[in-house]
Amino acid sequence: NAGVTQTPKFRILKIGQSMTLQCAQDMNHNYMYWYRQDPGMGLKLIYYSVGAGITDKGEVPNGYNVSRSTTEDFPLRLELAAPSQTSVYFCASSYSTGLFMGPQHFGDGTRLSIL
Amino acid sequence: DAKTTQPTSMDCAEGRAANLPCNHSTISGNEYVYWYRQIHSQGPQYIIHGLKNNETNEMASLIITEDRKSSTLILPHATLRDTAVYYCIVQGSGTYKYIFGTGTRLKVLA
Repeated sequence: NAGVTQTPKFRILKIGQSMTLQCAQDMNHNYMYWYRQDPGMGLKLIYYSVGAGITDKGEVPNGYNVSRSTTEDFPLRLELAAPSQTSVYFCASSYSTGLFMGPQHFGDGTRLSIL
Repeated sequence: DAKTTQPTSMDCAEGRAANLPCNHSTISGNEYVYWYRQIHSQGPQYIIHGLKNNETNEMASLIITEDRKSSTLILPHATLRDTAVYYCIVQGSGTYKYIFGTGTRLKVLA
């Protein structure tokens, strides 16, 4: 049981390039999330998904896109990388029913630098 | 969404209990309090959560005041490996989103 797996662990991009951060979970969780964490700060929610085919914006969605075609996978797409997107990106998943949100399980993060 | 307030940093002697406070004065009746910690730059790790009653698990205890406006996370015998940033989070009312603050940086001293 691997939990939440993020790839790659590190990446350097040039301004204007695009890339996809991969996230997969094997716990059959219905909810998945993408966060970014800037140095010395808490995590900020970028996008989240309550199930396959359903996504919604978080606090800081600009410059990012997501899709959720399967329960297991929730990739995050950067279309035109900008220096402001230099950050550590965390993917998480949880199982939730009704108003109760189960604990979130986090991946180890992707450290992304835009130069 | 209910916001939380935590001290920026705390120190604790190894082997002693670490008591980490959190204020959440605007919490609603159906909102849970969650605690996570983040060691170095790893992904946050779930510790414990509660609604009204005090809770205990193998990692920690959670004490929630009767009016639910504050809570305390207790690490009964802190070790050096407990040095981390601890986040107190209240589930967003009517949503499924967490709001992370800047947390409390706990340093366990040998």
